[in-house]
Amino acid sequence: AQKVTQAQTEISVVEKEDVTLDCVYETRDTTYYLFWYKQPPSGELVFLIRRNSFDEQNEISGRYSWNFQKSTSSFNFTITASQVVDSAVYFCALSGHPTGGFKTIFGAGTRLFVKA
Amino acid sequence: GAVVSQHPSRVICKSGTSVKIECRSLDFQATTMFWYRQFPKQSLMLMATSNEGSKATYEQGVEKDKFLINHASLTLSTLTVTSAHPEDSSFYICSARDPTGVDEKLFFGSGTQLSVL
Repeated sequence: AQKVTQAQTEISVVEKEDVTLDCVYETRDTTYYLFWYKQPPSGELVFLIRRNSFDEQNEISGRYSWNFQKSTSSFNFTITASQVVDSAVYFCALSGHPTGGFKTIFGAGTRLFVKA
Repeated sequence: GAVVSQHPSRVICKSGTSVKIECRSLDFQATTMFWYRQFPKQSLMLMATSNEGSKATYEQGVEKDKFLINHASLTLSTLTVTSAHPEDSSFYICSARDPTGVDEKLFFGSGTQLSVL
C-alpha cells in the first residue's frame, strides 16, 4: 500500500525564518513520483515540484529547496527566508506505478503560518 | 504548461438536486482523470479514477450511485453529485494525467466548492 505521512500538522514561524516541512512515504513500487503542492486560502492547488524515484538530486528553486532521501523514504521541503505569502497548506504526494495505478496519494498536509 | 479547467468553481444548490462538475484538459489528451474530495482543513481524498471510454473505478467507501463519473472523451470528465445533501458539501478537485513522454505528468483543476443547503 502507498502512504504519505506529514507529521507536522501546523507550523508557525516569523517572517525571514527558515522552515522545513517533513514528508515520509511508503510504497512498494520501484518507479514512483513525489510531489509537493501548495494550497493557499483561495483553495486551488499550486504545483511546486515533481521528483521521480530515480533522481535523488536535491533541487533548489529560489527560496525553495527539496531534499530527497530514498534511504529514509523522505522528501523534505525547506523554505528559506519565509514570507507572509508563504502561508498556506502544503501537501506532499506520491504517485506510484504500476502497483499504485498512477493514483496520487496525498499526505494530511502541513499548515504553515508565517507571521510578519 | 498544460492546463486543466474545472467548472464551476463554486456552486450552491438545494438539497435533493443534482450537480454536475466538469473537468477538461485544455491542451493535452488525458486518458486518465482523478476526482478528489477535500473536507475543510483536511487532505485530499481520492474518490475515483476515471478512464476514457470505460467505467470509473471507485475507492472503497465511495458511493458510485451518488457520485456519477463520466469520461466520454479524452479531454472531458464529469462528476455528478446526485440528490445532493448537506453532507456532500465539500471541495472537489479533479486531476488529469498526460500519458505522453516518459515523465509522470499530472495536472490539477482549480477545484469546485459545493455547498448544499
